[in-house]
Amino acid sequence: EAQVTQNPRYLITVTGKKLTVTCSQNMNHEYMSWYRQDPGLGLRQIYYSMNVEVTDKGDVPEGYKVSRKEKRNFPLILESPSPNQTSLYFCASRRLAGGRSGNTIYFGEGSWLTVV
Amino acid sequence: GNSVTQMEGPVTLSEEAFLTINCTYTATGYPSLFWYVQYPGEGLQLLLKATKADDKGSNKGFEATYRKETTSFHLEKGSVQVSDSAVYFCALSDNAGGTSYGKLTFGQGTILTVHP
Repeated sequence: EAQVTQNPRYLITVTGKKLTVTCSQNMNHEYMSWYRQDPGLGLRQIYYSMNVEVTDKGDVPEGYKVSRKEKRNFPLILESPSPNQTSLYFCASRRLAGGRSGNTIYFGEGSWLTVV
Repeated sequence: GNSVTQMEGPVTLSEEAFLTINCTYTATGYPSLFWYVQYPGEGLQLLLKATKADDKGSNKGFEATYRKETTSFHLEKGSVQVSDSAVYFCALSDNAGGTSYGKLTFGQGTILTVHP
């Protein structure tokens, strides 16, 4: 079954305590991405990766890091979380081959993060 | 850059009412257009999509037509049910190249509540 798996699904943490949200896909997709969802703002892209060792900033990268050492994994790292990073986070993946903008984008189930 | 604008919410309807959620977009390339739905406490699900002008996407009684001349992709359903209560997101993806390639640009989301 095609899947994007995120962990943890729910987390409450304190300001400044480093955390990592993992993301893994089993579809051999080249493209992976992280979004955050905030009320009234929709989903905004944080970082994306076109393939292994190729990552770049999205629209709201401040305070986040990512890595892409393996094709299937794309962890999101918050080195020093702050309360304004309290949000719902989604990982997504898609196939890039063929240049089809209509290729299905697969989303994880979301990770609810609260920073106090 | 690309952008998506959805009608302001929240939208409250009675069961069996007609639903329209407006969505307009600006894009540099030839985008594919999507509607995603998020049920309470859940992640994102693809509701329908259209990949070229005049295409109609449909699913679960919902429809949307890709109108290039008006840059719109309005979501409609003839008779809503209580179970349709959710947040609906319009989104686009283009293959124009550059940093937007593979990325989904979302609208701000519209909350729909359907009463019995």
